Amino acid sequence: GAVVSQHPSRVICKSGTSVKIECRSLDFQATTMFWYRQFPKKSLMLMATSNEGSKATYEQGVEKDKFLINHASLTLSTLTVTSAHPEDSSFYICSAGQGNEQFFGPGTRLTVL
Amino acid sequence: KQEVTQIPAALSVPEGENLVLNCSFTDSAIYNLQWFRQDPGKGLTSLLLIQSSQREQTSGRLNASLDKSSGRSTLYIAASQPGDSATYLCAVPSGGYQKVTFGTGTKLQVIP
Repeated sequence: GAVVSQHPSRVICKSGTSVKIECRSLDFQATTMFWYRQFPKKSLMLMATSNEGSKATYEQGVEKDKFLINHASLTLSTLTVTSAHPEDSSFYICSAGQGNEQFFGPGTRLTVL
Repeated sequence: KQEVTQIPAALSVPEGENLVLNCSFTDSAIYNLQWFRQDPGKGLTSLLLIQSSQREQTSGRLNASLDKSSGRSTLYIAASQPGDSATYLCAVPSGGYQKVTFGTGTKLQVIP
């Protein structure tokens, strides 16, 4: 099946700093990628749809200025958590579709001190 | 808005037992349904994908069924093993191309 990678897999940062997470489709092109967030002991919630060459579409309640998404190429989407705070600590996972199947990255665990 | 519920939320069984995990969804206009496994602190492992035209899919000891009309899917695990201990998530397409809504998850523990 298709492969989606994420980098970094784990990041610890100080409060107030910004963190960038990369999502790459390794062997296929994806005009659309998705970013999800998982709170401890909860299921995954869709944050936003990343559209190649255009603005991302955010789900209700997700701050677009807080979570900056850039989809500059057909194989790369980035999520930047700006001015991170401890409440942003979470597991972030991206996905890309090929055909009608979703392929998920391995996730990034963000811890904000 | 698609809502996906999984029952039970948690399940503990002795090794060797057969078990069934349930997933229900409110909008039956889906083109597929996926089952995933998530180990603690880890990402998602895709287990089975069922297309809307299919009624079931099998992979090893796993069998997933789909009943679109009733908005239900089940994941059957035969002869459970301690290594099957994980959280199981179902996911269905949700209101747009390729994005999905995840179920609430079932945390399974298989006791040796």
